[in-house]
Amino acid sequence: LAKTTQPISMDSYEGQEVNITCSHNNIATNDYITWYQQFPSQGPRFIIQGYKTKVTNEVASLFIPADRKSSTLSLPRVSLSDTAVYYCLVGRSGAGSYQLTFGKGTKLSVIP
Amino acid sequence: DAGITQSPRHKVTETGTPVTLRCHQTENHRYMYWYRQDPGHGLRLIHYSYGVKDTDKGEVSDGYSVSRSKTEDFLLTLESATSSQTSVYFCAIWRGGSTDTQYFGPGTRLTVL
Repeated sequence: LAKTTQPISMDSYEGQEVNITCSHNNIATNDYITWYQQFPSQGPRFIIQGYKTKVTNEVASLFIPADRKSSTLSLPRVSLSDTAVYYCLVGRSGAGSYQLTFGKGTKLSVIP
Repeated sequence: DAGITQSPRHKVTETGTPVTLRCHQTENHRYMYWYRQDPGHGLRLIHYSYGVKDTDKGEVSDGYSVSRSKTEDFLLTLESATSSQTSVYFCAIWRGGSTDTQYFGPGTRLTVL
């Protein structure tokens, strides 16, 4: 399972766009990149998943360069309720490999 | 919502007692997982199951056993609880489709005194 590296913490003011970058140098050809959000005392919540280029949903955007060795989660116009820990993971299903390895995540603090 | 419930949600027990945590899913997924989460460690995989009666160990399986006698239930047992097993335990399932990844339950907070 590919290892990921992301900043331990970030601060942002309300209303700003936040970009959290994750590096995954050993990503395999079949790996997807998945981001989760976790609030205190809750289970991780799926935010977005991508394989290459750009993916956007109602919550976030995910940018993946051509070499796929990194990815950037973009949260537009954050609010106080976006204060959480964000995890970047790489992994894949199929061929008996249905596992993900969680790192320590990035603790995002949104400041009023 | 991935249709996952965990019980109990909170439990306080004493060292040396057996404890069983239950994870229940309503969507008939094949893969189920148990994680623990501790400050400074993130989520660590304890055991997982890839079908009824099919289970395997994760990275922190010592002191834990699991059972899966039917698709919808995955049980985690601490045979003799220790204070080092005080943690928050999360169950997850693997759901395929348009987003192929794990979905998590609400967690069980276990305190071993």
